[in-house]
Amino acid sequence: GIQVEQSPPDLILQEGANSTLRCNFSDSVNNLQWFHQNPWGQLINLFYIPSGTKQNGRLSATTVATERYSLLYISSSQTTDSGVYFCAATYGQNFVFGPGTRLSVLP
Amino acid sequence: DGGITQSPKYLFRKEGQNVTLSCEQNLNHDAMYWYRQDPGQGLRLIYYSQIVNDFQKGDIAEGYSVSREKKESFPLTVTSAQKNPTAFYLCASSIGIGFEAFFGQGTRLTVV
Repeated sequence: GIQVEQSPPDLILQEGANSTLRCNFSDSVNNLQWFHQNPWGQLINLFYIPSGTKQNGRLSATTVATERYSLLYISSSQTTDSGVYFCAATYGQNFVFGPGTRLSVLP
Repeated sequence: DGGITQSPKYLFRKEGQNVTLSCEQNLNHDAMYWYRQDPGQGLRLIYYSQIVNDFQKGDIAEGYSVSREKKESFPLTVTSAQKNPTAFYLCASSIGIGFEAFFGQGTRLTVV
């Protein structure tokens, strides 16, 4: 089945810094999503981005499907950005999550 | 409000008992999913359903069972055959397989 990898596994930033999270997948995908898991465990949808670039405020994402990767950019990070960021890919009927990047933003 | 409701939020059970976790959605979605998350880990797929009266095993279906008798509902039963049932369980739905998925708030199950 499809394999999804994320890097880095952990990231510590000072408030106001920018960061880039990466998601690599082993096969062509129909769907690529980015989620933020908050401290209470809920998964918040960030982007549904099978290809191309999208922006939402301080966050943006780019998926290059032909090269099998997606990037999540966080600019001017805030302490509320802390948590775990997951990417998830769909290939056929398989909807597979990566292991996540744990982000800690320090005040 | 449209969304996905999981209940209860916290659940405690004695070892050897079956327990059923509820997942209801009012988004008119055809596809529904159940995932398990262990502390510090990613999400692993237990079961998914593309349509009413149909469901498929995911990567870790052993010790779990599901039903899909109504479009809105996809309950998960954790049976006594599941060796390590203590975990965080998340339910999701989407218009169809491969489309944007939305998650409920999760149920934390503790078996003692």
